[in-house]
Amino acid sequence: GDSVTQMEGPVTLSEEAFLTINCTYTATGYPSLFWYVQYPGEGLQLLLKATKADDKGSNKGFEATYRKETTSFHLEKGSVQVSDSAVYFCALNAGGYNKLIFGAGTRLAVHP
Amino acid sequence: AAGVIQSPRHLIKEKRETATLKCYPIPRHDTVYWYQQGPGQDPQFLISFYEKMQSDKGSIPDRFSAQQFSDYHSELNMSSLELGDSALYFCASSLDEGAGELFFGEGSRLTVL
Repeated sequence: GDSVTQMEGPVTLSEEAFLTINCTYTATGYPSLFWYVQYPGEGLQLLLKATKADDKGSNKGFEATYRKETTSFHLEKGSVQVSDSAVYFCALNAGGYNKLIFGAGTRLAVHP
Repeated sequence: AAGVIQSPRHLIKEKRETATLKCYPIPRHDTVYWYQQGPGQDPQFLISFYEKMQSDKGSIPDRFSAQQFSDYHSELNMSSLELGDSALYFCASSLDEGAGELFFGEGSRLTVL
């Protein structure tokens, strides 16, 4: 079945460091791909998305490119801030009724 | 902009009791989803409704049931509660043609003692 695999956390970085969180997927169709962020005690917020191969999603300095050849959607940010500390979930929607399948989540901790 | 509203935000129940969670989707959204997120876990899909009909079903226990009403709000009913049901329950809504973008509520935290 469809699935998402994310790098395990926690990821601990200093402020202004470069961030990469790896995400790969398995899907039978042509899924849309998403990154959701969950701040402490809050719900899930859509960070960015890409709906077809080679699309680049971007928001708040975060970027991810839909790579069909490597079935990947890695999240990157050039300079992280303390306020970026959260749990990041990679997800896919393989069509049908828009059901999202989430990865296990990666906790990011950014220190001053 | 209006968001997905969930109530209650926090709920404490005893084992074997019943709990009901409510979800009010974004206006004009016709699809509602329920997810369960255990401590330190990723959200697991429970069930979804499109135009008041069940559209998909995931890992929802038989003790749980849900429905979507004529005003599009949805309720998740959980009976014979177990300690393992303690989790954050998210509701999300979308437009059927929304390219898979789900909008999540802030969640209802259920604690079973």
